[in-house]
Amino acid sequence: ETGVTQSPTHLIKTRGQQVTLRCSSQSGHNTVSWYQQALGQGPQFIFQYYREEENGRGNFPPRFSGLQFPNYSSELNVNALELDDSALYLCASRVGGGAYTQYFGPGTRLTVL
Amino acid sequence: KQEVTQIPAALSVPEGENLVLNCSFTDSAIYNLQWFRQDPGKGLTSLLLIQSSQREQTSGRLNASLDKSSGRSTLYIAASQPGDSATYLCAVSAGAAGNKLTFGGGTRVLVKP
Repeated sequence: ETGVTQSPTHLIKTRGQQVTLRCSSQSGHNTVSWYQQALGQGPQFIFQYYREEENGRGNFPPRFSGLQFPNYSSELNVNALELDDSALYLCASRVGGGAYTQYFGPGTRLTVL
Repeated sequence: KQEVTQIPAALSVPEGENLVLNCSFTDSAIYNLQWFRQDPGKGLTSLLLIQSSQREQTSGRLNASLDKSSGRSTLYIAASQPGDSATYLCAVSAGAAGNKLTFGGGTRVLVKP
């Protein structure tokens, strides 16, 4: 049990739609990262937020955006969904900088039809 | 660009055997390296975190070594049990800000009773 929760567990959308995924971190975890994991592959870094500001981004287009809130919750928004966006989306939180362990949530499985 | 490789992609051993999982990375300028466990369709559980200044970390039956100069890490699991069946992922962090983890593709382990 990592103390990081994600909702919903599963989601089915059609191509072109928009989706919002949610993550709730442990109290005091002021850094949250989002990852996309395609089937059979390792997770790919989407972006990171620190104290409600984006401070790192991977190789993902602008239609992937996020928000972090003062209550240690965060969102991942994806616009204009494509079939290749089908994946497990993971959020991870930690206290402060990279010396600390990241704690992952159980993920949201997104299927785009 | 950092690349992380895990070989083999899959491994099957009888119960009681020791497991040896390999991870290699192309850029030795890492901040730390983490090993994770992932059960099917689930999130990631952190097993061990090794800072770049350390050579190894141990937790129970798990021992992870790090050789930065050669770009390698090895995870040893002693006296394997069927409950150790899972996918094991290694990930490296490039900087103190820990902006992102770069993951390998994972090794899928099956421990047969």
